[in-house]
Amino acid sequence: GNSVTQMEGPVTLSEEAFLTINCTYTATGYPSLFWYVQYPGEGLQLLLKATKADDKGSNKGFEATYRKETTSFHLEKGSVQVSDSAVYFCALSGLSNSGYALNFGKGTSLLVTP
Amino acid sequence: DGGITQSPKYLFRKEGQNVTLSCEQNLNHDAMYWYRQDPGQGLRLIYYSQIVNDFQKGDIAEGYSVSREKKESFPLTVTSAQKNPTAFYLCASSIDSQGNTEAFFGQGTRLTVV
Repeated sequence: GNSVTQMEGPVTLSEEAFLTINCTYTATGYPSLFWYVQYPGEGLQLLLKATKADDKGSNKGFEATYRKETTSFHLEKGSVQVSDSAVYFCALSGLSNSGYALNFGKGTSLLVTP
Repeated sequence: DGGITQSPKYLFRKEGQNVTLSCEQNLNHDAMYWYRQDPGQGLRLIYYSQIVNDFQKGDIAEGYSVSREKKESFPLTVTSAQKNPTAFYLCASSIDSQGNTEAFFGQGTRLTVV
């Protein structure tokens, strides 16, 4: 079944620093890939997505490119802000060992300091 | 506005009691999901439903039960058989029952056993 591996945090950056959060996946077929963000005490919000190889998802300055050759979907942002502090989850669609549901990484906590 | 509503936001339960968490969506989505979130463990799938009157176990279904009598509603019951129920519970829905599209999340219910 499909699965996703995400770099562990926490990640601490100064404001305006460059952000990379690594995500790699294992999948059969052609899954869609997603990044979600979770602010403290809240549910998950979709940040961006890509549905096929070489697609680039982007939103709010964040980007991720669906790389089939390296089975990766790394999240990047050129200049982080304090308000970006949150937990970020990489997710994969399709059939996993759990069933027909999005399969999530364990999340990466990001703290941006002024 | 369309969305997913979970209630209550906070819930306290005595040991040995069953408790039901509510999840309602007005997005006309076929699929609905329940995830459990614990610190450092990401999201784990409890149950999912691809269509009304049908549901499937996820990774950690033991001690939980669900029903899907209406398309809009997918309540989760945490039974006394669940050994460690204190956690953050997230409900989600998606338009695609094969897990190929993004999921939309509610704001979560934090359950504490006292």
